[in-house]
Amino acid sequence: NAGVTQTPKFQVLKTGQSMTLQCAQDMNHNSMYWYRQDPGMGLRLIYYSASEGTTDKGEVPNGYNVSRLNKREFSLRLESAAPSQTSVYFCASSLRAQEQFFGPGTRLTVL
Amino acid sequence: GEDVEQSLFLSVREGDSSVINCTYTDSSSTYLYWYKQEPGAGLQLLTYIFSNMDMKQDQRLTVLLNKKDKHLSLRIADTQTGDSAIYFCAEEFGSGNTGKLIFGQGTTLQVKP
Repeated sequence: NAGVTQTPKFQVLKTGQSMTLQCAQDMNHNSMYWYRQDPGMGLRLIYYSASEGTTDKGEVPNGYNVSRLNKREFSLRLESAAPSQTSVYFCASSLRAQEQFFGPGTRLTVL
Repeated sequence: GEDVEQSLFLSVREGDSSVINCTYTDSSSTYLYWYKQEPGAGLQLLTYIFSNMDMKQDQRLTVLLNKKDKHLSLRIADTQTGDSAIYFCAEEFGSGNTGKLIFGQGTTLQVKP
């Protein structure tokens, strides 16, 4: 039982490049979330998915797209990366809204 | 809009009690949360409190909620060096019990031996 896994762990992009961050959970959770964490700040919700086939915007969705591929997987795509998107990205999942389980994070640098 | 504020740093000696404070703005939040983040790791849920409760105790952790002042605190009794981490307060925003959370900036707890 791996919990929430994220790939890659680290990534460096040039401005304008695109990439997809992958997230998977093996806990049969319905809800999944993508957050970003910037230095000195709390996590901010980018997008979430309440169930397979549904997605909704969070606090800071601009510049991102998501896909809830199936119940296990929730990916985050940056179509044209900008330096302002340099951050640590966390994926989370939950069965009940009151308990989210977090992945280890992806550290992204955009030059 | 909703906002969650925390002090940034707290230093205590091993064995002392730690109290981490948080203020929030959304009086309609149903649940309020405390998460812990150790270096290089994701967040881990410590505890949460339902908005109609004043206090919740869970082993060494005590959560106090003052709804009138929109103030939440986390007390860690007998603080250990392993408690050194960043602690985040969070409230729910939006409707529908979706788990959409607003986090504070985090309080770094330093425990000195």
